[in-house]
Amino acid sequence: QVQLVESGGGVVQPGRSLRLSCAASGFSLSCCGIHWVRQAPGKGLEWVAYIADDGSRKHYSDSMKGRFIISRDMSRNTLYAEMNSLRPEDTAVYYCGRDFTDKYSIDYWGQGTLVTVSS
Amino acid sequence: QSALTQPPSVSGSRGQSVTISCTGTSSDIGSYDHVSWYQQPPGTAPKLVIYEVTNRPSGVPDRFSGSKSGNTAALTISGVQAEDEADYFCSSYTASTTWVFGGGTRVTVL
Repeated sequence: QVQLVESGGGVVQPGRSLRLSCAASGFSLSCCGIHWVRQAPGKGLEWVAYIADDGSRKHYSDSMKGRFIISRDMSRNTLYAEMNSLRPEDTAVYYCGRDFTDKYSIDYWGQGTLVTVSS
Repeated sequence: QSALTQPPSVSGSRGQSVTISCTGTSSDIGSYDHVSWYQQPPGTAPKLVIYEVTNRPSGVPDRFSGSKSGNTAALTISGVQAEDEADYFCSSYTASTTWVFGGGTRVTVL
């Protein structure tokens, strides 16, 4: 069955970097785009980034543009998100989700990984 | 891109209908039928309940329905059940080739 598993979260100091992983199973990343969405503690969902199924298009929110870089390892069927110059306001659970092809929505979500930015 | 506007909370007795509004702009909801709704019980990941304004994924009960008029979309739960208690978020594709979520609405079943 379709599954997404995020990892790589943890506590990091302001200004430092962190790399998150999103391991996909039950489908190939070549079939579907992937979104990153975050949720600060007790707050709502915030869309962060998207990569298309063929990797040719990447879109980022204004809040993360230039600091959030998506890449893929097709041999591992895994997506990565490099987060740089982290700020306390980046503290959140980060979810990856599979794009529901041509439906502009997310049909499968991972369980999320918590990133805490604190000194 | 500003978040879509949702009421913080709505409530209804079991079996009643509840409706959640989601207001955007002409750059998102008003321009595209790419509105989706997600259900998120406490401590869990979101789950898709409506896509493309009115469509339900397989397995979602037909008491969930969606609509849109102008810059405002809505989710209606007809005959709300105890298991529907959760936070609900709307989302729309935007003219900036990004996506935007609403602030979320807590549904309470009395």
